[in-house]
Amino acid sequence: DAGVIQSPRHEVTEMGQEVTLRCKPISGHNSLFWYRQTMMRGLELLIYFNNNVPIDDSGMPEDRFSAKMPNASFSTLKIQPSEPRDSAVYFCASSLSRLGRGDEQYFGPGTRLTVT
Amino acid sequence: SQQGEEDPQALSIQEGENATMNCSYKTSINNLQWYRQNSGRGLVHLILIRSNEREKHSGRLRVTLDTSKKSSSLLITASRAADTASYFCATSQGNNRLAFGKGNQVVVIP
Repeated sequence: DAGVIQSPRHEVTEMGQEVTLRCKPISGHNSLFWYRQTMMRGLELLIYFNNNVPIDDSGMPEDRFSAKMPNASFSTLKIQPSEPRDSAVYFCASSLSRLGRGDEQYFGPGTRLTVT
Repeated sequence: SQQGEEDPQALSIQEGENATMNCSYKTSINNLQWYRQNSGRGLVHLILIRSNEREKHSGRLRVTLDTSKKSSSLLITASRAADTASYFCATSQGNNRLAFGKGNQVVVIP
């Protein structure tokens, strides 16, 4: 299996621009997670989906952030408008979750976002 | 919400030595997991220990869990330069969420 695929790997954009991050989870996995990692705040869960349905988006910082999962093999995280404080590494992870047991998660390589 | 907290924050050892990291948490858990992150990469799952288990082994890894003290330790035996990475513990309360700690930086000197 190719693992979790994320694109782009690096994104540099100017403040105010829209940014879209993409994720393809491992085939057969039913849960997908979006995380943000910074030196100051560590790894933060932004949102997670189960069977393509958003279950918990309490970690989404504000209305500028939105996430979708139109089907089992694709998800997007959008930031509009972007701000310098959004600069971070964004990870997508997927898992085969059974009855909410908190099973192991498989992470993608991440997207390093820099907003100038 | 609960969160794993690793201790110590940074560890530097010679190749061949053992490395031990600790993690504490605040509430009851369903399982505890350890992940490794190499520089510039995503996290990689290492091992999962359930709340009813006390010790688990996987290759050179040994994990212990003490639910009475709400703590876990990860031991890497006979360390190698390739073990240089950050190590995170993560706890699950029985839902799909994992709460990650801040991570331990381990440097293995060849």
